[in-house]
Formats: sequence, structure tokens, C-alpha cells
Amino acid sequence: KNEVEQSPQNLTAQEGEFITINCSYSVGISALHWLQQHPGGGIVSLFMLSSGKKKHGRLIATINIQEKHSSLHITASHPRDSAVYICAVTPGHNTDKLIFGTGTRLQVFP
Amino acid sequence: NAGVTQTPKFQVLKTGQSMTLQCAQDMNHEYMSWYRQDPGMGLRLIHYSVGAGITDQGEVPNGYNVSRSTTEDFPLRLLSAAPSQTSVYFCASSYKGDFYGYTFGSGTRLTVV
Repeated sequence: KNEVEQSPQNLTAQEGEFITINCSYSVGISALHWLQQHPGGGIVSLFMLSSGKKKHGRLIATINIQEKHSSLHITASHPRDSAVYICAVTPGHNTDKLIFGTGTRLQVFP
Repeated sequence: NAGVTQTPKFQVLKTGQSMTLQCAQDMNHEYMSWYRQDPGMGLRLIHYSVGAGITDQGEVPNGYNVSRSTTEDFPLRLLSAAPSQTSVYFCASSYKGDFYGYTFGSGTRLTVV
């Protein structure tokens, strides 16, 4: 079993829909990261969370440390949001290592 | 522009050849790391460094070598390329304690034939 599990693996939506991507992990962590990978391949860091909730534009990320679960929400989705969204965790403390989920492929249609 | 620069973007190697993937950052980040991305799998850590002169192995280090002689550069060497090393490679950097998250390079698509 992977230490970081994402669901769903694939997601399609119509423009304007509210999107939720889930991430569960089985190890103790010091931080959780949400990353975005566009079809061109580049990876961009969206959020780093150690507790609570963060918001950036139409993106909202939440984490529940007790339940070892995080969600990434996209409000008013747009075709330009089409990408692979990757959850990653920093296990333990004082470490540079990241453990990645396999990603959620999102396609938003006009 | 500040960021992580990876070269080359594409490379085809024959089995047994060696090569070096370059990674440079200009943000004075202490931490640098190399990952490989294969279809159906999450990115996996190959090697990482917490500062100049300090490196350590990640999850899949076999067949790869690294060194960190300066804060800016973290090259990844393939000693004797094998078809199993066909992958997309990403370099990433961050400040110590990753308070600011990670910055990724644009990736190197390597094919070993």
C-alpha cells in the first residue's frame, strides 16, 4: 500500500463546477504539499500545509492532521485548471525527503 | 529569472553510455534533490543534498551518482545507462525546513535504447 494515496485518479468536470481532490497518508508528517503538473510537464508548488487551511485565488487546501487527510478544492473550475494535481508529504522532521502520491488527472471542459 | 534550471530537456542514450544531468538554482536554497517520474507511479527520490558537500541516497539511488560542490549546482550522473532508467527526471530545491515549499526544474526526458 502506498504511503500517500490520492483519489480520484481521473476527474472530468464542466467549466464552473466545484472540484475536490483528496489525499490520505499513513506516515507522520511535518508538512503536506499540493503540486500542479501541466501537460507540458513542469511542476509548480501550489500549497504547503502543516495545519488548517490555505487559500490562493480559486484554490483552497485543507488538512486534518488527526485523520491524516487533505483536500484540494477548486472553485469555479476553468479549462486552464486542466492538469495533474499531486499530493506529497514531508515525513517526520528535519528532512528534505518527499513522498508523492500518483496524482489526479483533471480535465475541465468548456 | 530566479529558479531551477535543468539541462538538457531531452536526451537519448545508448545502453552503457554515461551522462550528466545538470541542475542549477540561484535562490541560495540549501536543499536540492533529484526525482524520477515514471508512468503510473509517483515521483520517486533518487538522491538529495542538505548543503554543499553533503549528499544522501533516496528511494531509488542505484545507477546514479551525485555531488554538491557548490550551493548552486547539483548534477546527477548516470554511470552506465540502462533501459530501466528511461524516465523523466526532475530537480527541485527548497530552503532548509521547506517553509517556502519547493521549486522544480522543467524536467529532463531521458530515453535509453
